[in-house]
Amino acid sequence: GDSVTQMEGPVTLSEEAFLTINCTYTATGYPSLFWYVQYPGEGLQLLLKATKADDKGSNKGFEATYRKETTSFHLEKGSVQVSDSAVYFCAVPPQGGSEKLVFGKGTKLTVNP
Amino acid sequence: SAVISQKPSRDICQRGTSLTIQCQVDSQVTMMFWYRQQPGQSLTLIATANQGSEATYESGFVIDKFPISRPNLTFSTLTVSNMSPEDSSIYLCSVEADSSTYNEQFFGPGTRLTVL
Repeated sequence: GDSVTQMEGPVTLSEEAFLTINCTYTATGYPSLFWYVQYPGEGLQLLLKATKADDKGSNKGFEATYRKETTSFHLEKGSVQVSDSAVYFCAVPPQGGSEKLVFGKGTKLTVNP
Repeated sequence: SAVISQKPSRDICQRGTSLTIQCQVDSQVTMMFWYRQQPGQSLTLIATANQGSEATYESGFVIDKFPISRPNLTFSTLTVSNMSPEDSSIYLCSVEADSSTYNEQFFGPGTRLTVL
């Protein structure tokens, strides 16, 4: 089965609204978890990461907490900006572990002024 | 973090031709990865390329269609052979960040390919 299930979009918000993008995963052990962002016309950039249970990754006002008990790594931001408009990907190693990453389907976020 | 460049950044190609995409990294890395991102879709891993060995292909991808070279620790190429319109995608290379952060990858800017 899939290693990562991500809330699909598109998501459209007004500036300063609260954002949540859900991500759940299946894995053995305690893999590192990642959120990547792809701005229009660009490649992927690492947004944040967490390497162990209860870790909170944060960057650019975004946060995600590694929840082992619920196997989740939801992305949140308290007040989005127009410049946050992008596609967001949750990524985890495949079940059984390896150097590879499996990416969620991506969530397109549009923030309107 | 590693700085990764790709050439070309975009291309428009005719059906039946082949295109070779280059990926250059500013530091030596063990593992390099090639992904395909079809329009509006997520990333799908094509293959993992280690220096000095044959690339390891994922299910659904074969060497005849996507030959890969990895001549040294800073460079790799992916060729898309005998192209068809279904190969129109963004092709991205990535590298493993370092051994201390398992699985973290840095990505190149991508090559946007359109096949007519």
